[in-house]
Amino acid sequence: QQQVKQSPQSLIVQKGGISIINCAYENTAFDYFPWYQQFPGKGPALLIAIRPDVSEKKEGRFTISFNKSAKQFSLHIMDSQPGDSATYFCAARGATGNQFYFGTGTSLTVIP
Amino acid sequence: EPEVTQTPSHQVTQMGQEVILRCVPISNHLYFYWYRQILGQKVEFLVSFYNNEISEKSEIFDDQFSVERPDGSNFTLKIRSTKLEDSAMYFCASSPAMNYGYTFGSGTRLTVV
Repeated sequence: QQQVKQSPQSLIVQKGGISIINCAYENTAFDYFPWYQQFPGKGPALLIAIRPDVSEKKEGRFTISFNKSAKQFSLHIMDSQPGDSATYFCAARGATGNQFYFGTGTSLTVIP
Repeated sequence: EPEVTQTPSHQVTQMGQEVILRCVPISNHLYFYWYRQILGQKVEFLVSFYNNEISEKSEIFDDQFSVERPDGSNFTLKIRSTKLEDSAMYFCASSPAMNYGYTFGSGTRLTVV
């Protein structure tokens, strides 16, 4: 059973455009939703995170939108840059607090 | 910025051999984790460790796997008898508390031949 579903699998965006990656989850006990950025050969790095009592969180060019009733959350990257080209994973923390369930990842390519 | 350090970066081993993957978590972190990522696939939880014991483990973490914190700084993952399907990138992570996001290491690429 896939706890967190992520789309699209890959995304190509022009420099300066908006990148949008979507995730959906089933388990209403999930209580913390981070996004990770991963460059080739590196581990995932925490980018931004949100808790379900907030509908939106913005940090610089990165925004998480959270829809609790729809059990969906998304990452928006404004003014996308070539340096943003990476794989992005959404995740959700399980009820025990001990593990995260990751989405399948989105490979983002920002074209100059 | 504090880092989680993993060694080796790449390990090649023969099927059936034992391997130990090593991690040095961030010094003031209390929670430690192992995840793995099969090439091109999602990151999967293996085990969490707190207060010198396993707090949770996944179905992947069977009897072939074990973890240990042998001293105050290292956190190891042992695979007793490797199988071809154990080939993956193994990531160690740590966090200061349960309600925080993780800091991941750069991973160890394990190749079982």
